[in-house]
Amino acid sequence: DVKVTQSSRYLVKRTGEKVFLECVQDMDHENMFWYRQDPGLGLRLIYFSYDVKMKEKGDIPEGYSVSREKKERFSLILESASTNQTSMYLCASSALNRVTDTQYFGPGTRLTVL
Amino acid sequence: SQKIEQNSEALNIQEGKTATLTCNYTNYSPAYLQWYRQDPGRGPVFLLLIRENEKEKRKERLKVTFDTTLKQSLFHITASQPADSATYLCALVGDDKIIFGKGTRLHILP
Repeated sequence: DVKVTQSSRYLVKRTGEKVFLECVQDMDHENMFWYRQDPGLGLRLIYFSYDVKMKEKGDIPEGYSVSREKKERFSLILESASTNQTSMYLCASSALNRVTDTQYFGPGTRLTVL
Repeated sequence: SQKIEQNSEALNIQEGKTATLTCNYTNYSPAYLQWYRQDPGRGPVFLLLIRENEKEKRKERLKVTFDTTLKQSLFHITASQPADSATYLCALVGDDKIIFGKGTRLHILP
């Protein structure tokens, strides 16, 4: 079974703090994604990566950056957290084609920024 | 702009009946359509994929249809059970991107 793990299930941070969210997948997938999910807005793509050291902006990249130094690990960074970044963050991975394959999601990290 | 809509935010169905969820889209020609299940506090889990040249796909009690003329997919759960209660997301895949719907919360009433 594909396993996607995220470093924390719940996280509470203060405004202005730098926040790192880590995601690891164990299936040697090329593609990895970061989404945020908010009530009434659904899943929104922040960034994705289709190879090590490669990244592409999704629909809402402002206020975020990412890092992919190893194939299995994709990190989401909030340089200076703000209250409007309080959300559920979901990491996903997929194989083969750029985005057309099935996505496997992690359990999510619920981030609260005070 | 591309738009994807799922018929309702929430749907209540009596146990044993067939639940039917709808996914409509505009300004898009997806190559695939996927359905995911999401339980509270968890990530979505892939259920089924249907290609643009397929009319119907089945997996156990699940059935998905894809009508590219109507720009609509229907997701059916037959003989529904309380354990089927969850949020179901449709996702359109094409032009090198994937777009998720906001989901429909399904409640199967015992």
